[in-house]
Amino acid sequence: QSVLTQPPSASGTPGQRVTISCSGSSSNIGTNSVYWYQQLPGTAPKLLIYSNNQRPSGVPDRFSGSVSGTSASLAISGLRSEDEADYYCAAWDDRLRFGGGTKLTVL
Amino acid sequence: QVQLQESGPGLVRPSETLSLTCVVSGGSINSHYWNWIRQPPGKGLEWVGYIHYSGSTNYNPSLESRVTISIDTSKNQFSLGLTSVTAADTAIYYCARDDVGSGLDSWGQGTLVTVSS
Repeated sequence: QSVLTQPPSASGTPGQRVTISCSGSSSNIGTNSVYWYQQLPGTAPKLLIYSNNQRPSGVPDRFSGSVSGTSASLAISGLRSEDEADYYCAAWDDRLRFGGGTKLTVL
Repeated sequence: QVQLQESGPGLVRPSETLSLTCVVSGGSINSHYWNWIRQPPGKGLEWVGYIHYSGSTNYNPSLESRVTISIDTSKNQFSLGLTSVTAADTAIYYCARDDVGSGLDSWGQGTLVTVSS
């Protein structure tokens, strides 16, 4: 059971907007920055969002992050087939914590 | 564009020590924090620990008694040692760079380590 809680799965059709939630506590999300990582099948994770809502260079603006209290969300708009992947949230408390991951399926 | 490459034995016997090295190319190791993260097959990510180029370290409390991360700035590489391994340590091990405040922005491709007799 991860300290950061994510739904195990999510799905959407091409062009749709989907959101993935990440629930934590005052000691992690409530205090520190949230990060989001995308892991395509068979590959290493890739940084999608840092500092709650910042995108690294090269990440499309279809991806956005937000935080409210002790919860965070990743939104993907204009869903594309290549977005099918596992998504992980992360935040620091006494260690770097990862959520359990959400498998996104594009129908 | 910095690149990271893990290397080490793919099979380790139970109770022995797992040793991996991550070589950094395309950039200097003399900055940032250098991390190890692992992922059991079919499961989620677990942070193992990091080392700063100055040599300071921070480990996952659940692994701290068995983990050592070291750095060799002359070779632009850092290493992971995990003692007394069991089957539960079977995982893909990734090395990654932490651009402070900006997340784990560069990752190696990962290396699978299996603990088995």
